[in-house]
Amino acid sequence: DQQVKQNSPSLSVQEGRISILNCDYTNSMFDYFLWYKKYPAEGPTFLISISSIKDKNEDGRFTVFLNKSAKHLSLHIVPSQPGDSAVYFCAASLYSGGGADGLTFGKGTHLIIQP
Amino acid sequence: GAGVSQSPSNKVTEKGKDVELRCDPISGHTALYWYRQSLGQGLEFLIYFQGNSAPDKSGLPSDRFSAERTGGSVSTLTIQRTQQEDSAVYLCASSSDYEKLFFGSGTQLSVL
Repeated sequence: DQQVKQNSPSLSVQEGRISILNCDYTNSMFDYFLWYKKYPAEGPTFLISISSIKDKNEDGRFTVFLNKSAKHLSLHIVPSQPGDSAVYFCAASLYSGGGADGLTFGKGTHLIIQP
Repeated sequence: GAGVSQSPSNKVTEKGKDVELRCDPISGHTALYWYRQSLGQGLEFLIYFQGNSAPDKSGLPSDRFSAERTGGSVSTLTIQRTQQEDSAVYLCASSSDYEKLFFGSGTQLSVL
């Protein structure tokens, strides 16, 4: 039973346009969310995060939106660049800080930026 | 080095053999995690170490899997009597807080 779902295995976007990656979660106890980016043959790298007390967090071209009532978050990349082509993982955490289980990850969305 | 280091980067083994995967976390990080990613799947939590506390082994898929962390630093993940379904990328991560994990490049394990 997946607690973090990324329903789009892949997404193709033209360079310069906006990329929107979606993530849904089922556990209402999650209250800290992260996006990781992964290139082939490399480990995932942290991209951006958001706490449940916020509904938006922005860092340069990357913005994460959180809709707690819908248990949905999204990552917006604008404008999209060729170097953004990678697999993007959504992850969720229980901020109780127990640490057990680490982060719960989705299956990832492969973003392809077309020139 | 400054990042999480894993070795070997690739490991090919025969079914039934034992394998050991190594992880050197970032210096000073008290938390260490092992995840694995099977083909087409997300990152599956395996085990978590925090300081000197007993590890959280709740994600280990069977008793063929075990892990140690010596001296609060280097960790070894051991898989005994490997099976073909163990083929995956095994990722180690370390952290100084409970949210932001820093991952190594992983070990690609192939069981023939």
